[in-house]
Amino acid sequence: ELKVEQNPLFLSMQEGKNYTIYCNYSTTSDRLYWYRQDPGKSLESLFVLLSNGAVKQEGRLMASLDTKARLSTLHITAAVHDLSATYFCAVDMVEAPSNDYKLSFGAGTTVTVRA
Amino acid sequence: NAGVTQTPKFQVLKTGQSMTLQCAQDMNHEYMSWYRQDPGMGLRLIHYSVGAGITDQGEVPNGYNVSRSTTEDFPLRLLSAAPSQTSVYFCASSYSSFVVLGTEAFFGQGTRLTVV
Repeated sequence: ELKVEQNPLFLSMQEGKNYTIYCNYSTTSDRLYWYRQDPGKSLESLFVLLSNGAVKQEGRLMASLDTKARLSTLHITAAVHDLSATYFCAVDMVEAPSNDYKLSFGAGTTVTVRA
Repeated sequence: NAGVTQTPKFQVLKTGQSMTLQCAQDMNHEYMSWYRQDPGMGLRLIHYSVGAGITDQGEVPNGYNVSRSTTEDFPLRLLSAAPSQTSVYFCASSYSSFVVLGTEAFFGQGTRLTVV
């Protein structure tokens, strides 16, 4: 069974400082996804990481993937209030022998940025 | 493109009632899934489908049924609602399959369900 673990689950950030969210997963996969959810809203895709060593950056967010360690990190640089949200990582896999595709999510990291 | 359309947005049910949550996508995605979101537990997979006519159970399938008669639609049925099913439900679709991997999932706006 694929397990996806995020930590921390809650993160209180101070504006202007740097922080990292970690995502560990239990199966061999070269694909990891990061999503953002604002309160009361749906999930929107942030990053798609498709290989070992993949790094993607968008504004103050940078995501990386180490498939050997089964670890992805979401790094936040110089936090600002607009980044307050819940961040989810997700991993997919193809189950054998059924060839069923399945996408599993971590529990989410709720980020609050304070002045 | 409407993306993933989920209805209703809010619903209150009495214990024992049944209902269907609707989900439709217009992106010709093979993979569709239903998740429930509860505080501190992230998104848990209820049922998923890898194509029309094919469905399978996820992590928390009890009390729910699904069907996939067309590529576009993937309704979720609550057979006999219980207070434990109070949650926010999300439908998602993706182009990914066992053949095509590495594409992002798109989510509906969610259904906030309360069972009293």
